[in-house]
Amino acid sequence: EIVLTQSPATLSLSPGERATLSCRASQSVSSFLAWYQLKPGQAPRLLIYDASNRATGITTRFSGSGSGTDFTLTISSLEPEDFAVYYCQQRSHWPITFGQGTRLEIK
Amino acid sequence: EVQLVESGGGLVKPGGSLRLSCAASGFTFSTYYINWVRQAPGKGLEWVSSISDSSSFIYYADSVKGRFTISRDDAKKSLYLQMNSLTAEDTAVYYCARFPDYWGQGTLVTVSS
Repeated sequence: EIVLTQSPATLSLSPGERATLSCRASQSVSSFLAWYQLKPGQAPRLLIYDASNRATGITTRFSGSGSGTDFTLTISSLEPEDFAVYYCQQRSHWPITFGQGTRLEIK
Repeated sequence: EVQLVESGGGLVKPGGSLRLSCAASGFTFSTYYINWVRQAPGKGLEWVSSISDSSSFIYYADSVKGRFTISRDDAKKSLYLQMNSLTAEDTAVYYCARFPDYWGQGTLVTVSS
């Protein structure tokens, strides 16, 4: 099973700041990595697929990078609605796995 | 518009069974892998099961293997999850998802006496 390790577990920042979230895979997942945003009571929202492709309707403030085992989600300038929990997911190998999440909170 | 709508959640006693359904619309359901993902209270997302188009390939998380059964009815554009021998650890919101981009709103399953 591929283990995805997200860091940090919690990130405390202020609106307008830049957020950098990391996801590290225990073995290569090529570029088969997605990032989701999750808010209470809502379905997960796809932000990035295939490591660096922005999903339909996602603002350019969100960008993804990386391949192999190291991936990054960057939010260029935080807006109030960006404070949520973020998960990475790999679909390169069965079983499909998610990271444990990074909570982005307002400082 | 793509829609996935789950139903069938509720309160069930430990050892009991429940069948979840997911009704799909807005896309050619029969040609896609469809998945179940859950989120226990206060926990992260956990992949549960996937079924390929034509039901040729089926996968389960170890945590549910032997207890849960995924199936689909392409004529009805529906996905199912038969859950047996439920325990408190199965308490979660269960999402139907077409990876990577479409998810339902989820249905809550509570296993408690």
